[in-house]
Amino acid sequence: GDSVTQMEGPVTLSEEAFLTINCTYTATGYPSLFWYVQYPGEGLQLLLKATKADDKGSNKGFEATYRKETTSFHLEKGSVQVSDSAVYFCALKSRPDYKLSFGAGTTVTVRA
Amino acid sequence: ETGVTQTPRHLVMGMTNKKSLKCEQHLGHNAMYWYKQSAKKPLELMFVYNFKEQTENNSVPSRFSPECPNSSHLFLHLHTLQPEDSALYLCASSQDLGPNTEAFFGQGTRLTVV
Repeated sequence: GDSVTQMEGPVTLSEEAFLTINCTYTATGYPSLFWYVQYPGEGLQLLLKATKADDKGSNKGFEATYRKETTSFHLEKGSVQVSDSAVYFCALKSRPDYKLSFGAGTTVTVRA
Repeated sequence: ETGVTQTPRHLVMGMTNKKSLKCEQHLGHNAMYWYKQSAKKPLELMFVYNFKEQTENNSVPSRFSPECPNSSHLFLHLHTLQPEDSALYLCASSQDLGPNTEAFFGQGTRLTVV
C-alpha cells in the first residue's frame, strides 16, 4: 500500500538557518505530493504541492521538488524564522481512490 | 464565516457519556473527512463522505458513528469511548476526491476520555 516516510524530529534550529525535511514515498503509479503545516493549536493547512515528476512546489519561502527517480519530495527553506516553528507533514494521493496518506510529521522549533 | 469550523474545540467525557462533534464548511466542497491525530502517530483517516454518501470507513470501531446530513455538515457521534480514544479529531473538506485537490482542515476538537 501507499506510505510516506519522513525524517523524525524534533528538529531545532536557530533563526536564519537552512531547513531540510526529508520525505520519501511508496505508491502505485505517479502520486500527487503535498506538504502540510500545523501551527500550534491549529489544524493542518496546505503549504505546497506538486502533481507530476520534476514539478517544484513553493510557498512562503519553502520549496520541494517531485523526484520520481528517488521517490522523494524533500522540503527546504533557506532562512527560517521563529514563526516557522510548527509540525510539517508530507502526504500523497495515488490511485485508485486518491486518499490522502500522511507521514508521521516532523516537529520544527526555530529559536531566536 | 469561511473555512472549516469544528465545535467544540475541547471536550472531556466519561466512558459512559454520549457526545457529538460537529464540523461545518462554507467552501462549497463536496467531500468531507474525519481524521484522528494521536501523539507520535500518523494521521489516521476514519471516514470519507462524498456528496453526503459514505465512501470510506477505515475499520473504525462502532463506538464512533458519523453522520453527514448535507454536504456542508459532518458529525461524529461518540458513545462508550475508551481512554485510548483521547486524541485530536480533525475534520477536513475538499472540492472532490480527485488526485490533485487539496484538503482544508478545521482546527480540531481535543477529546479527552476519562
